Amino acid sequence: KQEVTQIPAALSVPEGENLVLNCSFTDSAIYNLQWFRQDPGKGLTSLLLIQSSQREQTSGRLNASLDKSSGRSTLYIAASQPGDSATYLCAVRRGLGYNTDKLIFGTGTRLQVFP
Amino acid sequence: NAGVTQTPKFQVLKTGQSMTLQCAQDMNHNSMYWYRQDPGMGLRLIYYSASEGTTDKGEVPNGYNVSRLNKREFSLRLESAAPSQTSVYFCASSGRSFNEKLFFGSGTQLSVL
Repeated sequence: KQEVTQIPAALSVPEGENLVLNCSFTDSAIYNLQWFRQDPGKGLTSLLLIQSSQREQTSGRLNASLDKSSGRSTLYIAASQPGDSATYLCAVRRGLGYNTDKLIFGTGTRLQVFP
Repeated sequence: NAGVTQTPKFQVLKTGQSMTLQCAQDMNHNSMYWYRQDPGMGLRLIYYSASEGTTDKGEVPNGYNVSRLNKREFSLRLESAAPSQTSVYFCASSGRSFNEKLFFGSGTQLSVL
């Protein structure tokens, strides 16, 4: 059974810091991995999607990496800003033949960036 | 471009009442999903529809039914609401390829008393 874990559950940092959010998964047979952002009372917004054949994806100040063999992904946020405060979730899509239609979500890391 | 639209945003039910959550997307997506989000449990898949005319159970389907009315609309029905169904419900959609991003609606906060 695929399980997705995100540690820490919460993180508070001063503005300007570079930070890393972690996501680990138990089964390396994944099709892709997505990182999402969720603001309070809102839906999820997909930030980055890394295909199983890729090592990383970048969008602006965000960089996501994927190491399938070790079952880990990291989301790197450069020069954090108060507007980055949100909950960040990762989700894996299982490989072909393993209910690929479904995403398995982690429980998220709640990030607070203070001025 | 509205994306994924869910209604209602808030709902309070009494135990045993029924209701239908509506979801529509305007991105011509094939796949649509219903998730529930509970504190400490993350998002859990209730039902999904890989294409118009098909539906499949997710992790937690008991107590729910779905209808893929057409390519745009995917509704979730609670026939006899229970307090355990108090949650935030999200509809989502994605395109044909498994490597396409998932788009979410803004959610429905449901309380069952």
